[in-house]
Amino acid sequence: AQRVTQPEKLLSVFKGAPVELKCNYSYSGSPELFWYVQYSRQRLQLLLRHISRESIKGFTADLNKGETSFHLKKPFAQEEDSAMYYCAGIAGFQKLVFGTGTRLLVSP
Amino acid sequence: EAGVAQSPRYKIIEKRQSVAFWCNPISGHATLYWYQQILGQGPKLLIQFQNNGVVDDSQLPKDRFSAERLKGVDSTLKIQPAKLEDSAVYLCASSLDGLAGGCSSYEQYFGPGTRLTVT
Repeated sequence: AQRVTQPEKLLSVFKGAPVELKCNYSYSGSPELFWYVQYSRQRLQLLLRHISRESIKGFTADLNKGETSFHLKKPFAQEEDSAMYYCAGIAGFQKLVFGTGTRLLVSP
Repeated sequence: EAGVAQSPRYKIIEKRQSVAFWCNPISGHATLYWYQQILGQGPKLLIQFQNNGVVDDSQLPKDRFSAERLKGVDSTLKIQPAKLEDSAVYLCASSLDGLAGGCSSYEQYFGPGTRLTVT
């Protein structure tokens, strides 16, 4: 079954520290992976997707097929990065499957 | 552009009562999704429409949940009768095309959600 796993419910770091939000996936075939973010009192929104290989708000994520991972990274966390982050995946014409989410808390 | 609209934003009902949620997707978006997000979990797809046809309703509890998108635009999700475990945030999302190839087809735009509490 398609599955996306986010092992950490909460990640707490200080401003300026590096951040890595972990995501592992289990899919048959070649999935497309995404990171969605939900800031406080805002709606869920797409942060980035693996096929575009872009950096958004300083965040990057690389698809590692060998480790079946799609970790989200940022070298220097900012307070405004505090939010819920959801990893999600889709393969072929299947439904988008979300992980359980990781709350990132960046302290001053 | 205007985003996905949902109403109501909050609803409190007693178990065994019925409730309905409404969603208006982004103009021109063919695909509409309803998700259930229980506290501490990620969103789970309940039903996906392509225009006014159902694409996937495999995770919709059809004995109590129903959804329609009669004119291929707005959609309503109904629960009758509600159970305590239905307490959740119900999210509506839309995308240009959820079935065609191309990366842009998979970007889903979410509404603010409806928080349902069943007592």
